Amino acid sequence: GNSVTQMEGPVTLSEEAFLTINCTYTATGYPSLFWYVQYPGEGLQLLLKATKADDKGSNKGFEATYRKETTSFHLEKGSVQVSDSAVYFCALAHSNYQLIWGAGTKLIIKP
Amino acid sequence: DAGITQSPRHKVTETGTPVTLRCHQTENHRYMYWYRQDPGHGLRLIHYSYGVKDTDKGEVSDGYSVSRSKTEDFLLTLESATSSQTSVYFCATYADRSSYEQYFGPGTRLTVT
Repeated sequence: GNSVTQMEGPVTLSEEAFLTINCTYTATGYPSLFWYVQYPGEGLQLLLKATKADDKGSNKGFEATYRKETTSFHLEKGSVQVSDSAVYFCALAHSNYQLIWGAGTKLIIKP
Repeated sequence: DAGITQSPRHKVTETGTPVTLRCHQTENHRYMYWYRQDPGHGLRLIHYSYGVKDTDKGEVSDGYSVSRSKTEDFLLTLESATSSQTSVYFCATYADRSSYEQYFGPGTRLTVT
């Protein structure tokens, strides 16, 4: 069945460091892929998405590229800020209007 | 902002008591979901609805029931709360069939003592 695997956290970085959070998936066909972010005490919100192979989603300085050959959708940001501290979830679209979720990766940015 | 509210936002209850959580949306979205979030488990789907009076089970539905009598309201009921149901509960809606994007409410923190 479909599944999403994310790197375990927490990931701790210094401000202005480069960020990568790995996400790989198993799926039939070519599902849409998503990154959601959850700030402390809040619900999840969509960060970016990609709907087909080689698409790059981007938002707020974050990017992720849909790599069909490696079944990956890694999240990257060139220079993180303290305000990026949050939990990040990778997800893929399931056929019956559901999302399949990764376990989430907590990101801690230190000033 | 998809206009999703959840009530209550925090609740402490005793084992064995019934509890109902409410999700209200103002966007006329057809699909609604209830998730629970626990450390180490990410988000797990409890139940979802694909229209008024149309609901289905998710992966962790045991001990939970839902109802949807109006498009805007989706209720989650714990018939007899247990300590294992202590969690943060999120409601989400799904707007666009082509995008699969889900919008989330702020969550309800439930503690069962």
